[in-house]
Amino acid sequence: QKEVEQNSGPLSVPEGAIASLNCTYSDRVSQSFFWYRQYSGKSPELIMSIYSNGDKEDGRFTAQLNKASQYVSLLIRDSQPSDSATYLCAVGVISSGSARQLTFGSGTQLTVLP
Amino acid sequence: DTAVSQTPKYLVTQMGNDKSIKCEQNLGHDTMYWYKQDSKKFLKIMFSYNNKELIINETVPNRFSPKSPDKAHLNLHINSLELGDSAVYFCASSQEPRAYEQYFGPGTRLTVT
Repeated sequence: QKEVEQNSGPLSVPEGAIASLNCTYSDRVSQSFFWYRQYSGKSPELIMSIYSNGDKEDGRFTAQLNKASQYVSLLIRDSQPSDSATYLCAVGVISSGSARQLTFGSGTQLTVLP
Repeated sequence: DTAVSQTPKYLVTQMGNDKSIKCEQNLGHDTMYWYKQDSKKFLKIMFSYNNKELIINETVPNRFSPKSPDKAHLNLHINSLELGDSAVYFCASSQEPRAYEQYFGPGTRLTVT
């Protein structure tokens, strides 16, 4: 059973702090990893993708991938109240034929306190 | 312009009824998806179509039947609704089947009473 696990939280950090969100996955052959942000009552929005071991930075966001440990994380620097949302970790898997699909974790709820 | 749109946004109905949700994307993408998100925020794929052809069909009760009249539209029909069907249903699209980047619609909140 392919699984993606996240701490559901809630995770609270003060404004300006670094928020650290973690995700582990069970399928060793997974090659693609994504972070989606979902505001309450809204749809998921892709914010980061990472395919290689190491760090990938985009503005205040850094995704980190360690395939040996089957671990992917998202760091949010200088957290803002507007970052308060649920963050969904997703792992890309190859489905039937050439189709790709995403397996999602249950999300971590982040609250940034002003 | 709305990239992926769904109708209706809210749907309240009684057990045993049949209902449909419609999805349209104007991104020119070939591949569309239906996801179900339960009350614990767990988002799970149900179906995927590529250019009107079903390519992903997860373990979903056969009361759920997707239909794709063309590559820009993907509808979901649900027969004999049950309480456990209450959830938010998201439509999504991607450029092609091998693309992981998916763009989600606003969701349809289905409540079965």
